[in-house]
Amino acid sequence: DAMVIQNPRYQVTQFGKPVTLSCSQTLNHNVMYWYQQKSSQAPKLLFHYYDKDFNNEADTPDNFQSRRPNTSFCFLDIRSPGLGDAAMYLCATSRGPGQGYEQYFGPGTRLTVT
Amino acid sequence: KQEVTQIPAALSVPEGENLVLNCSFTDSAIYNLQWFRQDPGKGLTSLLLIQSSQREQTSGRLNASLDKSSGRSTLYIAASQPGDSATYLCAVRGMNTGFQKLVFGTGTRLLVSP
Repeated sequence: DAMVIQNPRYQVTQFGKPVTLSCSQTLNHNVMYWYQQKSSQAPKLLFHYYDKDFNNEADTPDNFQSRRPNTSFCFLDIRSPGLGDAAMYLCATSRGPGQGYEQYFGPGTRLTVT
Repeated sequence: KQEVTQIPAALSVPEGENLVLNCSFTDSAIYNLQWFRQDPGKGLTSLLLIQSSQREQTSGRLNASLDKSSGRSTLYIAASQPGDSATYLCAVRGMNTGFQKLVFGTGTRLLVSP
């Protein structure tokens, strides 16, 4: 089945230690997104890639970076995680560029910062 | 700025009841609205996508309606089952917030008891 895959599902890192979260997709979608969802809050868009074009949300901290080496893979790098970065990180894709396209989400990576 | 509100925040019903979840948004200039289900600690599963030109969408026991002019959507769940217990999120893709971006509500946490 075509899908959005995230690895790892659970990640524990230490305060200040860089961490990378991975997302891959078999849907061949043009657009990939990273959302952050803190406990009992709505998912919040951090950035998205439309093909190789990177689009950062204005309020995304500089501590968060992303890479998309090819259509299938997208990475979220947190350079110096703080306690406030503990959250569920959700990857999503959509066909794009049409405005009517649905977003498909992966299972998420739960990040714990100790 | 687009804001999405979901009422109620939590709902507890006995099995078999029909129920309605509400979603409202402040800017009616939208491309589409999407309803998601989220199980505890999991990612988002897309339930229904309603384009701005549509009034409703149905999938099995689920029916979602959209009244764009009044900024409202409802998700109707017929004959609820314990397996329906989850958090339900609505999200809109607005014309004034960047067409790739979904703005989410904080969800309605549903518990269906046997």
